[in-house]
Amino acid sequence: NAGVTQTPKFQVLKTGQSMTLQCAQDMNHNSMYWYRQDPGMGLRLIYYSASEGTTDKGEVPNGYNVSRLNKREFSLRLESAAPSQTSVYFCASTEGGVNTEAFFGQGTRLTVV
Amino acid sequence: QKEVEQNSGPLSVPEGAIASLNCTYSDRGSQSFFWYRQYSGKSPELIMSIYSNGDKEDGRFTAQLNKASQYVSLLIRDSQPSDSATYLCAGWLSGGYNKLIFGAGTRLAVHP
Repeated sequence: NAGVTQTPKFQVLKTGQSMTLQCAQDMNHNSMYWYRQDPGMGLRLIYYSASEGTTDKGEVPNGYNVSRLNKREFSLRLESAAPSQTSVYFCASTEGGVNTEAFFGQGTRLTVV
Repeated sequence: QKEVEQNSGPLSVPEGAIASLNCTYSDRGSQSFFWYRQYSGKSPELIMSIYSNGDKEDGRFTAQLNKASQYVSLLIRDSQPSDSATYLCAGWLSGGYNKLIFGAGTRLAVHP
C-alpha cells in the first residue's frame, strides 16, 4: 500500500530557481492538500484541492502555485524560490468532507540557499 | 488569532504519569477534530478523532471535546518514553471550506 507518495524527499535550490514538488495518492481520495512545516509553527496549509478540477488558497499561499493534474496527482510549484521557503513540505489526502482523516506523504525537505 | 491553538510546550512528564494536551479553536461551527502524533523527522500519524461532545477512549488515549468552550484535549495515561513526540491538534473549518487546519503542536517528553 503506497498511500501518499511525494517526490523528491530532499532538495536544495538556489534563490530564484524554480521547482515542482510532486504528490500522488492511490486511495481514490477526492481532496488533496499541501502543507509546510517550520519549527514551532505546526502544519500550515498552503493550497488545497477539494475535488478534481478545483484548487483554493490556504493560510500561506504566497509564492506558490498548484495544479490538480487528475484525481491522483497534486503538484506544488515554486516559481522563484526564496530562503523563506526553506521548510518541510507535506502532501496529504482525504476522502473529502468533515469527519474524514488526512493521510500524509513522507515529506520533502527543501532548503533554499 | 490562529484558528487552532496549542501550547507548544515542551510538556515534560515522568513515565507512568498522565499527560494532558490541550487545544482551543476559534471557529464555533467546527465539527470534527483530530489528534496526530509526529515523531521527529517523520510524517504525522492519526491517533484519535472526535466528532461529538464528551469523551472518546482508545486504549491509553482519551480525547475530550467541549464545543461550548471550544476546546479539545488529549489525555495519555501511563505515559511511556515511546510517547515522546509532537502532538498536533487539527480541525475542519465549517462553512464548506473543506480546510483541515492544524495547531502549532505540543512537544511531549516522557522521562524514565
